[in-house]
Amino acid sequence: ELKVEQNPLFLSMQEGKNYTIYCNYSTTSDRLYWYRQDPGKSLESLFVLLSNGAVKQEGRLMASLDTKARLSTLHITAAVHDLSATYFCAVRSGNTGKLIFGQGTTLQVKP
Amino acid sequence: EAGVAQSPRYKIIEKRQSVAFWCNPISGHATLYWYQQILGQGPKLLIQFQNNGVVDDSQLPKDRFSAERLKGVDSTLKIQPAKLEDSAVYLCASSLDLRGQRSGNTIYFGEGSWLTVV
Repeated sequence: ELKVEQNPLFLSMQEGKNYTIYCNYSTTSDRLYWYRQDPGKSLESLFVLLSNGAVKQEGRLMASLDTKARLSTLHITAAVHDLSATYFCAVRSGNTGKLIFGQGTTLQVKP
Repeated sequence: EAGVAQSPRYKIIEKRQSVAFWCNPISGHATLYWYQQILGQGPKLLIQFQNNGVVDDSQLPKDRFSAERLKGVDSTLKIQPAKLEDSAVYLCASSLDLRGQRSGNTIYFGEGSWLTVV
């Protein structure tokens, strides 16, 4: 059974600092997603990573995928308060599109 | 482009009562999902439809939960009778078609239906 683990689960950081969220998964998959969720809101798609070595960047967020290590990272550069949210990674299980989500990482960026 | 629409947004019911949630996916999206998100956890798939057929319902508690997608568009998720542990957000999502796709279609989520069972 595919399991997805994120760490850390909670991250408090100062504005302007860099940090990385890690997402490990237990079995082979061909697709990894990163989502953002604000309190009381739904999930906003950030990135879809399809292949080993894939790297995608949007603003201060950069996601990468290492399928051999079964690891994805979400790197935050020079954090700003607006990035405060919960970030989920999700891995596709099988070929039907079912996503298995991690527990989420709650990011709090302090001024 | 209109997103995934869900209703009601909030519902409070007593245990053993029933509740139904409605979802309208993005136009043209063949795949529809219902996820359950308990507070502090990641979403868990309950059921996945491809057009009006069920692809995966392995984690749907079938003794109390049911879902249908008539005509391959809108979908309803019903809980009867509800238990306290059903308190969660029920997220509907849709995508073009993930079966056999290599293009990595994005899965779009609705704002969710928040259920509190007291």
